[in-house]
Amino acid sequence: DAKTTQPPSMDCAEGRAANLPCNHSTISGNEYVYWYRQIHSQGPQYIIHGLKNNETNEMASLIITEDRKSSTLILPHATLRDTAVYYCIVRVNAGNNRKLIWGLGTSLAVNP
Amino acid sequence: DTAVSQTPKYLVTQMGNDKSIKCEQNLGHDTMYWYKQDSKKFLKIMFSYNNKELIINETVPNRFSPKSPDKAHLNLHINSLELGDSAVYFCASSLLSGEAFFGQGTRLTVV
Repeated sequence: DAKTTQPPSMDCAEGRAANLPCNHSTISGNEYVYWYRQIHSQGPQYIIHGLKNNETNEMASLIITEDRKSSTLILPHATLRDTAVYYCIVRVNAGNNRKLIWGLGTSLAVNP
Repeated sequence: DTAVSQTPKYLVTQMGNDKSIKCEQNLGHDTMYWYKQDSKKFLKIMFSYNNKELIINETVPNRFSPKSPDKAHLNLHINSLELGDSAVYFCASSLLSGEAFFGQGTRLTVV
């Protein structure tokens, strides 16, 4: 069962920031939040991950609330190529096993 | 240079047949995975191997049998295919605690 909830779809104007929210209210203290995206008919692509602190890389920024019950992925200047399904995922630890528990994601449409 | 490659990309077969999907990664990762994505786009992990050892085996029919001949390969063999097996199957690899890199998927259609 997915540990995250996301809006099923969002729109964003090209060149504007896209802010994708995610709720993970049952996350445990040692579980990471990961974000992936899937462009139509392709394999999922890693974007970013974090535990407690905000993170930034060349693709996006990840803002995690202090209570860790929600997070926001920010694409600072969305382009048409950012149109994809964005998955917010909790990585569950169980001994040596680490599993990504996927939800249904948010379908982001970037419009010209 | 494809990091995670799986073959074939498309597979159409009849019910009852046995088929295999191959996966290879050239990233030097020690962990490989098989995921199934159904028609509702829900991605679910099936198996995970670390250094050729099975570490995750979700509730998957035993008609599905993964085989890892070495750390760079994880193949998926499916016996007695059923209509409900139709899906896109993704192979992925990672270091044990790192982000996963996915292949382009194999679209399996059982008719």
